[in-house]
Amino acid sequence: GAVVSQHPSRVICKSGTSVKIECRSLDFQATTMFWYRQFPKQSLMLMATSNEGSKATYEQGVEKDKFLINHASLTLSTLTVTSAHPEDSSFYICSARTTPSNQPQHFGDGTRLSIL
Amino acid sequence: AQTVTQSQPEMSVQEAETVTLSCTYDTSESDYYLFWYKQPPSRQMILVIRQEAYKQQNATENRFSVNFQKAAKSFSLKISDSQLGDAAMYFCAYSNFGNEKLTFGTGTRLTIIP
Repeated sequence: GAVVSQHPSRVICKSGTSVKIECRSLDFQATTMFWYRQFPKQSLMLMATSNEGSKATYEQGVEKDKFLINHASLTLSTLTVTSAHPEDSSFYICSARTTPSNQPQHFGDGTRLSIL
Repeated sequence: AQTVTQSQPEMSVQEAETVTLSCTYDTSESDYYLFWYKQPPSRQMILVIRQEAYKQQNATENRFSVNFQKAAKSFSLKISDSQLGDAAMYFCAYSNFGNEKLTFGTGTRLTIIP
């Protein structure tokens, strides 16, 4: 149980393109989803937290107009990197948890985004 | 703000032996959660073990156990009978009692020597 599916696993696109990444909880209701960014050989940095039906809460330094997060249902959250540039290239990972709040986060497989 | 420190960038252990990964953290909270996550080359983050700060008993999961020292703010992971499949990056993580944010350490790369 507690499977989180993230799609696509890898994206290569040209600078200026907008890219959408999907995060789905397959066998539980994800009341809260999290989006992380991981640079090579570094730790995960939280970008934003989203609760179903509410606006995402962004961490300091993360541009909300650049990284659009939508959590429209209890099983799906999307991250859209708008007008992506080479500096946006990174590994993006989502996680999800259900209620109550003491439930652990379950992670997707991640998406490697490469902007040419 | 909470911080998590892993002072061992790399560790290695012979197959079937025991290894301990270190983690310290800083918080002013009294109730919180601590985690160890494993990230193999496939890059998926896998929960290894979780500890609730209000529980004095150390968490165990099969070959994985922790040594939780609340006063010292220390949370080490012991892997017994190491297996080749244990090779991965191991991240120590903290979250507050509301479990809203995970703060990760910088990770320890564990190599298993056959």
